[in-house]
Amino acid sequence: DVQMTQSPSTLSASVGDRVTITCRASQSISYWLAWYQQKPGKAPKLLIYKASNLESGVPSRFSGSGSGREFTLTISSLQPDDFATYSCQQHNTFPTFGQGTKVEIE
Amino acid sequence: EVQLLESGGGLVQPGGSLRLSCTASGFTFSSYAMTWVRQVPGKGLEWVSTVGASGDSTYSADSVKGRFTVSRDNSKNTLYLQMNSLRAEDTALYHCAKGRAGLINDAFDIWGQGTMVTVSS
Repeated sequence: DVQMTQSPSTLSASVGDRVTITCRASQSISYWLAWYQQKPGKAPKLLIYKASNLESGVPSRFSGSGSGREFTLTISSLQPDDFATYSCQQHNTFPTFGQGTKVEIE
Repeated sequence: EVQLLESGGGLVQPGGSLRLSCTASGFTFSSYAMTWVRQVPGKGLEWVSTVGASGDSTYSADSVKGRFTVSRDNSKNTLYLQMNSLRAEDTALYHCAKGRAGLINDAFDIWGQGTMVTVSS
């Protein structure tokens, strides 16, 4: 199985901050990487697919980059609605997810 | 509106069985692979099983292989997960999810809210 490791596990930030979350795969997954946002009691929401493609309807302050084993999700200017947990998922093989990064208010 | 609605969860004793259902609406169900993903409250997401668009191909995680069976009825726009020999570690919120591009290994663009399965005596 491909293991996905996210860092940090928790991130404290303020509205307007630039936020970066990293996801590392245990082996190369090319660009087959997705990012999700999840709020308490809600289903995950797809933000980014194929490492850098913005899902329809997702604000442009979200962006993704990377290939191979290392990937990043960036929020250019954190908004109040962005405080949530973010998870990466590889789909080069049967899906595996990172453990999540909780973005909380500083 | 594109929607997935799960049902069938509940409390079951270890060794028992449950059948989860996921009813889809708002898209051409028969064109997309469908997947079950589970989540222990407060923990990360775990892939469980995937079924191809036609239902002919199925795939499951090692942790559930031989105990869980995924299937679909395209005439009813419904996905199923038959869960047998349930264990305490199967306790989780079970989501169904639609693959974005119709691939077996895919990102998931539509998720249901989930149905809770609790395995306890």
